[in-house]
Amino acid sequence: DVKVTQSSRYLVKRTGEKVFLECVQDMDHENMFWYRQDPGLGLRLIYFSYDVKMKEKGDIPEGYSVSREKKERFSLILESASTNQTSMYLCASSFNYGYTFGSGTRLTVV
Amino acid sequence: SQQGEEDPQALSIQEGENATMNCSYKTSINNLQWYRQNSGRGLVHLILIRSNEREKHSGRLRVTLDTSKKSSSLLITASRAADTASYFCATLTSGTYKYIFGTGTRLKVLA
Repeated sequence: DVKVTQSSRYLVKRTGEKVFLECVQDMDHENMFWYRQDPGLGLRLIYFSYDVKMKEKGDIPEGYSVSREKKERFSLILESASTNQTSMYLCASSFNYGYTFGSGTRLTVV
Repeated sequence: SQQGEEDPQALSIQEGENATMNCSYKTSINNLQWYRQNSGRGLVHLILIRSNEREKHSGRLRVTLDTSKKSSSLLITASRAADTASYFCATLTSGTYKYIFGTGTRLKVLA
């Protein structure tokens, strides 16, 4: 069964902390994506990557960075967490059409 | 910016009834997909319909696409309590390779 695994289901971090959200896929997919999901706003694309060491900004990249050193792993980094980054974070991967999503990480910044 | 807008935002029906959700979008698309999300979980891919297709079926799901109206509908027949979830449409704009998601329809099926 193909999988996208996000390392944490729930995280609580303090304002100003550096936060790493990890995502690993076992499908050898080229494309990987990070979204955040907020009530009433749907899913918004933060960053995506279409190859190792390649990254592109999505719609809301401010306050975030990403790393893709290996094909299977795509990390989302919050350089200095702020309370407005409290959200559900969803990682996805794709080959051609159709995304496979991870279970999500609910991040609370206090 | 939101490409897909689902309608209604919330829907409550009795078990056994049919549920219809609609999605409107703004630009020319390559394909459109529907996803389901159970509370607090990731999204699960349901069905993909390409821009040159008008209708597609998968089990109890029926999806239609009207590119002239820039709209799609998802019909779930003979609904079950387990269908309770949020449903999202996602569109792939022609010439791009990233999907844009709508805000979703929250479906509640009452037993």
